[in-house]
Amino acid sequence: ETGVTQSPTHLIKTRGQQVTLRCSSQSGHNTVSWYQQALGQGPQFIFQYYREEENGRGNFPPRFSGLQFPNYSSELNVNALELDDSALYLCASSLRDRGRMNTEAFFGQGTRLTVV
Amino acid sequence: ILNVEQSPQSLHVQEGDSTNFTCSFPSSNFYALHWYRWETAKSPEALFVMTLNGDEKKKGRISATLNTKEGYSYLYIKGSQPEDSATYLCALIQGGSEKLVFGKGTKLTVNP
Repeated sequence: ETGVTQSPTHLIKTRGQQVTLRCSSQSGHNTVSWYQQALGQGPQFIFQYYREEENGRGNFPPRFSGLQFPNYSSELNVNALELDDSALYLCASSLRDRGRMNTEAFFGQGTRLTVV
Repeated sequence: ILNVEQSPQSLHVQEGDSTNFTCSFPSSNFYALHWYRWETAKSPEALFVMTLNGDEKKKGRISATLNTKEGYSYLYIKGSQPEDSATYLCALIQGGSEKLVFGKGTKLTVNP
């Protein structure tokens, strides 16, 4: 097992800029989900990718977009950054079996994004 | 809006104390409940995945129960140790959905 790794760990961006966050999934996992955790809140679901296609989306605007690559690594892109986008972004990988996720998700340590 | 509630928000106990937290969720359309432990500066770590009403799971000094009919789960820690200090998150998956809906967590501090 290689674990879930995210990069970068921290970054600071200016309002209006664009950002790309990266996630390397756990070996053998075919599903990756992204979550946003704002201060004082639980993680909020952004979207999920399964076999390179979006497989569910939370209540986030279209300027939040993603990709999953053939090796199951993933990117989260956020355009036109706003101050409220400042948060911890978590990536979680899991294995979908027989069409459903019934095993635990393995999380990375997150990327702390600050928008100024 | 789907609400998953956790209580208490934070908890301070002495080493050796036993403690428990609650996770409440809508009972309709239940699929699974996850418990995660999140230590500061680390990744959330899965403790349990619970799917059946009446499930009881145990890992060392930590155990959890599930009541899907009334919509709650309890997490118990027996004989708390300072290394148990962490935020404990529960997350619900409803039928037909792939997303984890998290509560805000219970922050446990165990004083030596």
